[in-house]
Amino acid sequence: EAGVAQSPRYKIIEKRQSVAFWCNPISGHATLYWYQQILGQGPKLLIQFQNNGVVDDSQLPKDRFSAERLKGVDSTLKIQPAKLEDSAVYLCASLGSSYNEQFFGPGTRLTVL
Amino acid sequence: AQSVTQPDIHITVSEGASLELRCNYSYGATPYLFWYVQSPGQGLQLLLKYFSGDTLVQGIKGFEAEFKRSQSSFNLRKPSVHWSDAAEYFCAVGALYNTDKLIFGTGTRLQVFP
Repeated sequence: EAGVAQSPRYKIIEKRQSVAFWCNPISGHATLYWYQQILGQGPKLLIQFQNNGVVDDSQLPKDRFSAERLKGVDSTLKIQPAKLEDSAVYLCASLGSSYNEQFFGPGTRLTVL
Repeated sequence: AQSVTQPDIHITVSEGASLELRCNYSYGATPYLFWYVQSPGQGLQLLLKYFSGDTLVQGIKGFEAEFKRSQSSFNLRKPSVHWSDAAEYFCAVGALYNTDKLIFGTGTRLQVFP
């Protein structure tokens, strides 16, 4: 089966600009996650979707970050406006049928200058 | 609050040597524990997981991990390391109120010398 797809793979922007990331999970996976991985740290969950509903967004900086999954399939994560500290790899994952196994995409590396 | 500690930031081993990566957790109940591996430029791949039962868990690529409740540990082991094992390794615990939510440690970078 095809894996989790993410685009773009790399993005460089200046602070205060906006940026959007796209994720397409594995077909049939109802649960989708966005993680932020800052250099030297483990991934941190930003938001979890179950179909098109939000399960957990407690660590999403809602003043600048937003995410949607309108049709319960692919998802977009947006940052507006970006700050220097948003430089990180943004990982998307989806939950498989094997209990608690998350499948990760390759990530989008964001650099904010 | 749940947390995961990986005490070793960077480990270097020779190819063919044995490996043990340490992981300690803080949790209020029986934890769901995971080990993931991340190769450069790639996403994370699940190596193994523990939910209950046998405390010695076998995973992919010849890895195993042992859950020790008394020590709050879930260390990852491999008897003989291959050069292709060089990567970043993350230990994670499922959150108490939402076990689908993973809390990751800071990772251990493994370097393998020929």
